[in-house]
Amino acid sequence: EAGVAQSPRYKIIEKRQSVAFWCNPISGHATLYWYQQILGQGPKLLIQFQNNGVVDDSQLPKDRFSAERLKGVDSTLKIQPAKLEDSAVYLCASSEQQGYTEAFFGQGTRLTVV
Amino acid sequence: RKEVEQDPGPFNVPEGATVAFNCTYSNSASQSFFWYRQDCRKEPKLLMSVYSSGNEDGRFTAQLNRASQYISLLIRDSKLSDSATYLCAVNLGGGGGADGLTFGKGTHLIIQP
Repeated sequence: EAGVAQSPRYKIIEKRQSVAFWCNPISGHATLYWYQQILGQGPKLLIQFQNNGVVDDSQLPKDRFSAERLKGVDSTLKIQPAKLEDSAVYLCASSEQQGYTEAFFGQGTRLTVV
Repeated sequence: RKEVEQDPGPFNVPEGATVAFNCTYSNSASQSFFWYRQDCRKEPKLLMSVYSSGNEDGRFTAQLNRASQYISLLIRDSKLSDSATYLCAVNLGGGGGADGLTFGKGTHLIIQP
């Protein structure tokens, strides 16, 4: 079974530029999460989708971050404009359904803002 | 007080020894609990779910203490391959189906030959 796919693996941008990350969850997984993991920290939830609807975006910095999952499958996370403190690994995870089932993580996109 | 707290370590442990670490959580409404393992520059992978009655999987034992609001992970007969960062994760079970995890910073474990 294919895992959660993310691209790109690495991205370096200058501050104030825009960047987008892509995630393809495991086939059939209805729930999709985006996490931000800053070096030395645990992952922090940014947003949760159930199919194409947002379930929780309470920790998403909406002034600069946006995410969508238009067809309930792939998802994109965008940062516009980026700040130095956005340097982190952005992890996508998916689970079969809501409710404490195991979430599988992708390998992440490592973003460096210079 | 942080929502999920762990001792970052590092814990340096000789191969074959038993090691245990705890994780405390602040929200008494937390509903489910997990230990994840994360290798350097890799994604987190689920190690164990933590049940109220405690659970064991081979050399790994996880326990939950709701009264004191902590979970623990015990590793027996530690192997070199157990070297990793162990992340504690808590699900607050928010309304509307929100079930994203709140993670601790992780405990870094180094098994020495």
